[in-house]
Amino acid sequence: GAVVSQHPSWVICKSGTSVKIECRSLDFQATTMFWYRQFPKQSLMLMATSNEGSKATYEQGVEKDKFLINHASLTLSTLTVTSAHPEDSSFYICSARPGARENTIYFGEGSWLTVV
Amino acid sequence: QQQVKQSPQSLIVQKGGISIINCAYENTAFDYFPWYQQFPGKGPALLIAIRPDVSEKKEGRFTISFNKSAKQFSLHIMDSQPGDSATYFCAASIRANTPLVFGKGTRLSVIA
Repeated sequence: GAVVSQHPSWVICKSGTSVKIECRSLDFQATTMFWYRQFPKQSLMLMATSNEGSKATYEQGVEKDKFLINHASLTLSTLTVTSAHPEDSSFYICSARPGARENTIYFGEGSWLTVV
Repeated sequence: QQQVKQSPQSLIVQKGGISIINCAYENTAFDYFPWYQQFPGKGPALLIAIRPDVSEKKEGRFTISFNKSAKQFSLHIMDSQPGDSATYFCAASIRANTPLVFGKGTRLSVIA
């Protein structure tokens, strides 16, 4: 299947700082990428839909000023958690859909964020 | 309103047995139904997917059964192995470029 890479795999940051997570589609172009958040032993919660060259579409309840999403190219989307707080600690996962295929969506390996 | 309901929440199966996970959906506009497998600390990996014009799809030990009239679909894992122990998510989407709607997941434990 197609490969979606996330970096970093895990990151620890201090409260009040910002952290950026990258999501890359390695062998296909993705006009649309999706960002999810997952708490332990829970399902994936959609945060936003990232569209190349345009503003992201955020789900209700997700602070767009806190979770900045940029989709600058067809292979890269970034999620920046601004002014991070301990409650932002979570597992963040991106996914992407190869546009030329069916609805298949591939996920990255996820990024563990711990805010201390 | 949960659009995809998944059951059971957890499942314990003997090695070599059949694992069955069920999902039901409400939105008849859904036209794509994938299953994902997730190991702890990893992102979900696509296992198998089906579209509503097919009643069954098999890939190796994994089979999706789809019942359009009942708005239900299920994952069957034949000859379950300890390595299959993971969390399984069913999902659904309406059309290309719309996000997946996930079930709440099923934690499968295959014991020897």
